[in-house]
Amino acid sequence: KNEVEQSPQNLTAQEGEFITINCSYSVGISALHWLQQHPGGGIVSLFMLSSGKKKHGRLIATINIQEKHSSLHITASHPRDSAVYICAVIGNTDKLIFGTGTRLQVFP
Amino acid sequence: ETGVTQSPTHLIKTRGQQVTLRCSSQSGHNTVSWYQQALGQGPQFIFQYYREEENGRGNFPPRFSGLQFPNYSSELNVNALELDDSALYLCASSSGLAGAADTQYFGPGTRLTVL
Repeated sequence: KNEVEQSPQNLTAQEGEFITINCSYSVGISALHWLQQHPGGGIVSLFMLSSGKKKHGRLIATINIQEKHSSLHITASHPRDSAVYICAVIGNTDKLIFGTGTRLQVFP
Repeated sequence: ETGVTQSPTHLIKTRGQQVTLRCSSQSGHNTVSWYQQALGQGPQFIFQYYREEENGRGNFPPRFSGLQFPNYSSELNVNALELDDSALYLCASSSGLAGAADTQYFGPGTRLTVL
């Protein structure tokens, strides 16, 4: 079993829909990253959070440390949001442990 | 763009060969981490370099080795290539020894295919 699990693995949506991607982890962490990976490989860091909630534009990330769970929400989704979204946690070794990603496709 | 560059972008090698991948970190960053991402999987941590010294290593065999130079650019070397080494290799730079707690800036990756 992976230490970081994401759901769903694949997600399709119509433009404008509200999207939620979930991340659960089984290890103790000091923080959690949400990353966006576009086709071709480039990864962009969206959020790093250790408690509560962060918002940036149409993106919102929440984390519940007690439940070992985080969610990434996208409001008013757009085709340019199509990408792989990866959850990564900072474990006891102080190195990133990645989930396998959620592939999102938003259609016009 | 993050300011982190990697070369080459694509590479094809055969089993048993050796490969060197390069990463130039963002200006002001002294920490470089390397990751291997197999198709359909999340990245796996290979190792990290801080100020030219290895600062942590993942579960990869010794034929995966690295270097960091005084200008903080870095190389990943893989000897005796195996088919399973085919993957996207990502480097990420950050500005301190807080490890993954620093924001990491990822390069575009090098896609290695081993035939």
